[in-house]
Amino acid sequence: DAGVIQSPRHEVTEMGQEVTLRCKPISGHNSLFWYRQTMMRGLELLIYFNNNVPIDDSGMPEDRFSAKMPNASFSTLKIQPSEPRDSAVYFCASSSLTSGYTFGSGTRLTVV
Amino acid sequence: GESVGLHLPTLSVQEGDNSIINCAYSNSASDYFIWYKQESGKGPQFIIDIRSNMDKRQGQRVTVLLNKTVKHLSLQIAATQPGDSAVYFCAETSNDYKLSFGAGTTVTVRA
Repeated sequence: DAGVIQSPRHEVTEMGQEVTLRCKPISGHNSLFWYRQTMMRGLELLIYFNNNVPIDDSGMPEDRFSAKMPNASFSTLKIQPSEPRDSAVYFCASSSLTSGYTFGSGTRLTVV
Repeated sequence: GESVGLHLPTLSVQEGDNSIINCAYSNSASDYFIWYKQESGKGPQFIIDIRSNMDKRQGQRVTVLLNKTVKHLSLQIAATQPGDSAVYFCAETSNDYKLSFGAGTTVTVRA
């Protein structure tokens, strides 16, 4: 089992550019989560999908952030346009009824 | 607002000693609690969990204690090893999906 796979591991982009983060959950997991981690705010849940359907997006900071899950094996988190305050580590996690959360290794985003 | 927090931000422990990491929570509706370990450059890794119908749960070298009366959670690590050096987070939820994480405790193991 390769675990939750995120790409890229690191992303440096200029302010105003579009950024797309990618996640492949563990096969068989029906829940997927996007988290953001910063020193100031710790780990925050951005959005939660169940069976590919967004259930709770109350943590998405603003309209610049969007997330999709077109199928059970792929999800994206997009920021457009990006701003320096979006700099953080973004984690994807997946779970199932019989298996708890498994986090990916994260994408470290730096917006300059 | 309701929050999950850790009492101490850092813990230094001698190799071989036992470690105790504490966590307070304020949401009385929380019924599921998890401890995570996060090493530098990695995502949080599941250590052990406990549901509110239990007071204690043991794993390999780790024990989680839950005191619902005072809304307190602790993680005990037996015979702490250098590989245990990491940031430890407690997390709680009342709906099995929306985890609220504490601020984290940095554990440093002294050789």
